[in-house]
This record gives sequence, structure tokens and C-alpha cells, in this order.
Amino acid sequence: GAVVSQHPSWVICKSGTSVKIECRSLDFQATTMFWYRQFPKQSLMLMATSNEGSKATYEQGVEKDKFLINHASLTLSTLTVTSAHPEDSSFYICSASGLLTESSYEQYFGPGTRLTVT
Amino acid sequence: AQSVTQLDSQVPVFEEAPVELRCNYSSSVSVYLFWYVQYPNQGLQLLLKYLSGSTLVKGINGFEAEFNKSQTSFHLRKPSVHISDTAEYFCAVNNQAGTALIFGKGTTLSVSS
Repeated sequence: GAVVSQHPSWVICKSGTSVKIECRSLDFQATTMFWYRQFPKQSLMLMATSNEGSKATYEQGVEKDKFLINHASLTLSTLTVTSAHPEDSSFYICSASGLLTESSYEQYFGPGTRLTVT
Repeated sequence: AQSVTQLDSQVPVFEEAPVELRCNYSSSVSVYLFWYVQYPNQGLQLLLKYLSGSTLVKGINGFEAEFNKSQTSFHLRKPSVHISDTAEYFCAVNNQAGTALIFGKGTTLSVSS
């Protein structure tokens, strides 16, 4: 099946620094990638949708200048948390859909990245 | 607009007992339905999906779900659970290609011996 990887799997950074998280589709071309955020014991909250080669569409309440999303190729999307603060600590999960998946309604999820800001 | 309601936030059961995790959705158009499982500190794993065809869907790890259009439900069932089934379960819906899944709040399944 389609595989999505994320790197790093966990990261600790100091307050005020920036962190980049990569999401890669390993065996298919992802025309659309999604970024979710998950707080402990809660469901996934959609942050933004990105289509290859175009600007990401952010959900209401998500700061686009703080969470920079780039989808430069059909296999890679990145999420950069700029000037991170402790409240940005969370579990970030990406998913991808696109060509060669069974259905474009289906999404394949990465394993997630645990971000801790100290 | 679509929405998903998982009626139980926590479901405790004993090992080898049957379990049902309930999911109801609302949508004005045809939907596609999914169940995912999440183990601690891990990403989501697809258990099963309903896209079309038979309303009884079988998935991995012995789980199955039935799509009931009249009741707008997609309940997940397993006839005999194991300790290893302890995890968080999410029901999700989608009705348009290329758009994000809408998730329910999740159900914590706790299996004890």
C-alpha cells in the first residue's frame, strides 16, 4: 500500500527557534497533502491543505505566518513552525492523497512528529 | 457540512468479549467512511473503509463495520477482543476527492483481562 513517512519522529527545541517537519510519500505521487495537529487525548485537527505547486489553504484560526507549509514536489511537503513556543508543543501528523492510490477519497497517514518546545 | 459523532468516549471491555464502537455521521450528499486505529505515540492506521458496494465491510485485525444509510451510522464491531486492541479509534468521513477527512472525537477502547 501507499506509504507516507515523516521526519523527524520527535523533536525538542527551545522557545523562539524554528522547526521543520518533512512529510514524504514514498511510493506514490501526492497531489494533495494535509497537516493535522493532535493534542493529548484529543482528535485530529486539520491545520491546512496543500496542493503541489500552490499555496496552502489554512483552516480558520491557524496562523499562516507561524505554520509555514511548502509543497514543492509531488512527494514532499514541509511544515515549519516558526518562533516556536511551549503552546506549540503537540503531535503533528501529515496525510497524503493523489495518484496511484485506490481512491482519491482515501488518505494515507504519516507516523506523526512529536514536537516539544521548552 | 459534514460531521461525525462518536457516541462513546470510552469503552472498557474484558478480553474475548464482543465490542461495538458507535459512529454516526451527517451529510447532505453521499459519503465515504473510514475507521482508523491509533496506538500511543503513533500515527493512524486504517482499519477499514466504505467507498461503495457491500454495506458490510471487513477490515484488519478481525474488525468489521456496517454502513447503514437510513440510520447514517457506521458502527465498528469485533466479536472477540484482545488486550492488544487497546487503543484509540477514530471514525472519519469524506465526500469530496482531494479534501480532508472529517474526524470524530475518538473512542478509547480499553481491554482488560
